[in-house]
Amino acid sequence: ETGVTQTPRHLVMGMTNKKSLKCEQHLGHNAMYWYKQSAKKPLELMFVYNFKEQTENNSVPSRFSPECPNSSHLFLHLHTLQPEDSALYLCASSRQPGEGNTGELFFGEGSRLTVL
Amino acid sequence: GENVEQHPSTLSVQEGDSAVIKCTYSDSASNYFPWYKQELGKGPQLIIDIRSNVGEKKDQRIAVTLNKTAKHFSLHITETQPEDSAVYFCAAHGNNRLAFGKGNQVVVIP
Repeated sequence: ETGVTQTPRHLVMGMTNKKSLKCEQHLGHNAMYWYKQSAKKPLELMFVYNFKEQTENNSVPSRFSPECPNSSHLFLHLHTLQPEDSALYLCASSRQPGEGNTGELFFGEGSRLTVL
Repeated sequence: GENVEQHPSTLSVQEGDSAVIKCTYSDSASNYFPWYKQELGKGPQLIIDIRSNVGEKKDQRIAVTLNKTAKHFSLHITETQPEDSAVYFCAAHGNNRLAFGKGNQVVVIP
């Protein structure tokens, strides 16, 4: 148990569906992140939120829309996705702002997304 | 930006033997090098890290070495056990960005 909880763990959706991924951290951290994990590829940073403010959007297509209502919750809204968006989406948090920031990232177990 | 290469992509070892995973990085300004372990069905978890002012760090059966001149760092696992089977990711932090390697699948054969 890392203190970062993601739901749902598995999601299958059609290209015209709208769905959301949820992440909650119970660690009192100030920064939250969305990463995309595809087979045989490095982890890809998607979004960074520091103190609820988005500080980085790593050239992510607009069909992915993040939302951070408070420092403990992070959402990723999905709309009109493509089959190549199928991947494991990982949420992470850290005590200090900034990606990596030379401090530990705490990852959730991920949401496995399949787009048909 | 930073580019991290990790090799080999897959490593099989007999239980009790040692495993070594090597990573290279491109940005000489990188100053923090964490290693993450990802077990099946779970997210990555930090297992050890090293900063650029240190050449080696050890924590029980795992150790990391850093060669700043050559821009490479390695993870060493001694006396491997079945629970060490996982994917291991190296990363390098520089210019406020953490760059991950592609991961290395380690299989410990009982």
